[in-house]
Amino acid sequence: GQQVMQIPQYQHVQEGEDFTTYCNSSTTLSNIQWYKQRPGGHPVFLIQLVKSGEVKKQKRLTFQFGEAKKNSSLHITATQTTDVGTYFCAGPSNFGNEKLTFGTGTRLTIIP
Amino acid sequence: GAVVSQHPSRVICKSGTSVKIECRSLDFQATTMFWYRQFPKQSLMLMATSNEGSKATYEQGVEKDKFLINHASLTLSTLTVTSAHPEDSSFYICSARDRGRLYEQFFGPGTRLTVL
Repeated sequence: GQQVMQIPQYQHVQEGEDFTTYCNSSTTLSNIQWYKQRPGGHPVFLIQLVKSGEVKKQKRLTFQFGEAKKNSSLHITATQTTDVGTYFCAGPSNFGNEKLTFGTGTRLTIIP
Repeated sequence: GAVVSQHPSRVICKSGTSVKIECRSLDFQATTMFWYRQFPKQSLMLMATSNEGSKATYEQGVEKDKFLINHASLTLSTLTVTSAHPEDSSFYICSARDRGRLYEQFFGPGTRLTVL
């Protein structure tokens, strides 16, 4: 079945440093979504990318969808303590399907 | 907008009892709701897809008789863990799709189940 892997699994950064998580799907995706889950909390939708090569920015966060629509990345510039949490990418289980397969997640911790 | 609630947020029960978890979309109609299970420090695993007025679609390996799902209305889905055992202890999260937004899922706050 479809697999969505993320690297790294964990990332510890000094506050102010940049952070990047990479997402790779075993199948082509119609879209990719990103969610953030704070410790003890539930996933919160961040963004959706649909077009091949699409790049979207949200303040210090930059999201990119690969040309082949099988990979994606999330880059955070100048991390802050509020960025702590686990970042998940998620893609439809089948092309166009409403079910999501979540990536393995990247847990970000910030050293003040 | 797009708020999803879950009740209870935390439950501790004895082995062999059944536990019902409610998932409600508070300000939108959810044609589809999803139930996930999450173990500590792991990703979300989809258990089943619930559509209003029809039977839930379970993922491979998920026991239908163990995890009963009912989606009685466009704003309410319930998950009942029947005859719970310690291995059922987990974080159960529901999500809902707003019929007006194609792909985005809105998650409830989750229910932490502990079976003694």
